[in-house]
Amino acid sequence: AQSVTQPDIHITVSEGASLELRCNYSYGATPYLFWYVQSPGQGLQLLLKYFSGDTLVQGIKGFEAEFKRSQSSFNLRKPSVHWSDAAEYFCAVGAVQNYGGSQGNLIFGKGTKLSVKP
Amino acid sequence: KAGVTQTPRYLIKTRGQQVTLSCSPISGHRSVSWYQQTPGQGLQFLFEYFSETQRNKGNFPGRFSGRQFSNSRSEMNVSTLELGDSALYLCASSLGLQGSEAFFGQGTRLTVV
Repeated sequence: AQSVTQPDIHITVSEGASLELRCNYSYGATPYLFWYVQSPGQGLQLLLKYFSGDTLVQGIKGFEAEFKRSQSSFNLRKPSVHWSDAAEYFCAVGAVQNYGGSQGNLIFGKGTKLSVKP
Repeated sequence: KAGVTQTPRYLIKTRGQQVTLSCSPISGHRSVSWYQQTPGQGLQFLFEYFSETQRNKGNFPGRFSGRQFSNSRSEMNVSTLELGDSALYLCASSLGLQGSEAFFGQGTRLTVV
């Protein structure tokens, strides 16, 4: 069965430090992969997505992610964290019965809560 | 352009009652998906509607149902509410085509007492 694992429940980094959030997936074929961010009381905002092609994907707000098929990973990175990045981050995979990668049916990880120290 | 609108934002219901949640997608979007978010289970897919037809369905009991209207607005209904149905219910809309981005609403916070 498809699944997404985010091993870190909570991460604290200092403002200006680099960030890497881990994501591992279980999927039988080439997956559609996404990272979303959720601020308290808000819905989810798409940071970036990977469908095919270049394995290093650039997103909004200075985030990037690298798809590594050999490790079944899609880790999210940011070189310098800002206090406004404090939020919860979710990795997701498009489910196999999904229609052509339309994101209508996503399997999410449990999320990683990011705290930023001043 | 206007975003995804979910109403109401907050609901308190009694166990055994039923509830209807509404989602108005972005204009032109034909796909609407529903997710349940709880601290214990995280984000779980409920169902997706595309052009008034249910296209995908998650692993939830039949008490959870939905529909989509010709204007793409969608409703989700939960009957015979249980305490465990307390959650944030999120709606997402997209064009429903390959590679199209899903935009999420702010959600409806349902509390069952």
